[in-house]
Amino acid sequence: KQEVTQIPAALSVPEGENLVLNCSFTDSAIYNLQWFRQDPGKGLTSLLLIQSSQREQTSGRLNASLDKSSGRSTLYIAASQPGDSATYLCAVSPVVANQAGTALIFGKGTTLSVSS
Amino acid sequence: EAGVVQSPRYKIIEKKQPVAFWCNPISGHNTLYWYRQNLGQGPELLIRYENEEAVDDSQLPKDRFSAERLKGVDSTLKIQPAELGDSAVYLCASSLDNFYEQYFGPGTRLTVT
Repeated sequence: KQEVTQIPAALSVPEGENLVLNCSFTDSAIYNLQWFRQDPGKGLTSLLLIQSSQREQTSGRLNASLDKSSGRSTLYIAASQPGDSATYLCAVSPVVANQAGTALIFGKGTTLSVSS
Repeated sequence: EAGVVQSPRYKIIEKKQPVAFWCNPISGHNTLYWYRQNLGQGPELLIRYENEEAVDDSQLPKDRFSAERLKGVDSTLKIQPAELGDSAVYLCASSLDNFYEQYFGPGTRLTVT
């Protein structure tokens, strides 16, 4: 059964720092991996989607990498800002035998706090 | 382009009462998902639709939960009767098709007292 783990559970940094959020998954058979942001009391906002054949994706100050063989992904945030404060969730779309398409399996998230 | 729309945003009910949640996915998205998110946890799938067909409902507690997606567009998730443990945020998501990026609605926060 696919399991997704995110470390650390919480992180506090001063404004301007570069930081890395970690995600690991137990089964390398995935279609893709997605990083989301969730603000308190809100839904999920998709940040980056990495297909299983890709190694990384970039969007502005965000860079996500994928090492499928080792079951790891990282989300790099450059020059952090107070507006980056939120919970960041990692999710994988697992390959399931005899099933065309699957839903996402999520980690519990990393709650980031950036102080000014 | 409008995002995924959900209503209501908040609902407080007493246990044993029924409740229903509504979702309107992004136009043209064939795949619709209902997830449940408990406090401090990631979302977990309840049911997945491909057009109007429920293709994965293995995690849906069928004794009290039901869902439908008429005409392959809007969807309704119902709980009857609600239990205290059903308190959670119910999220709807949609995607163009399998394996594509999923877009989430704002969720419905359910409190069962």
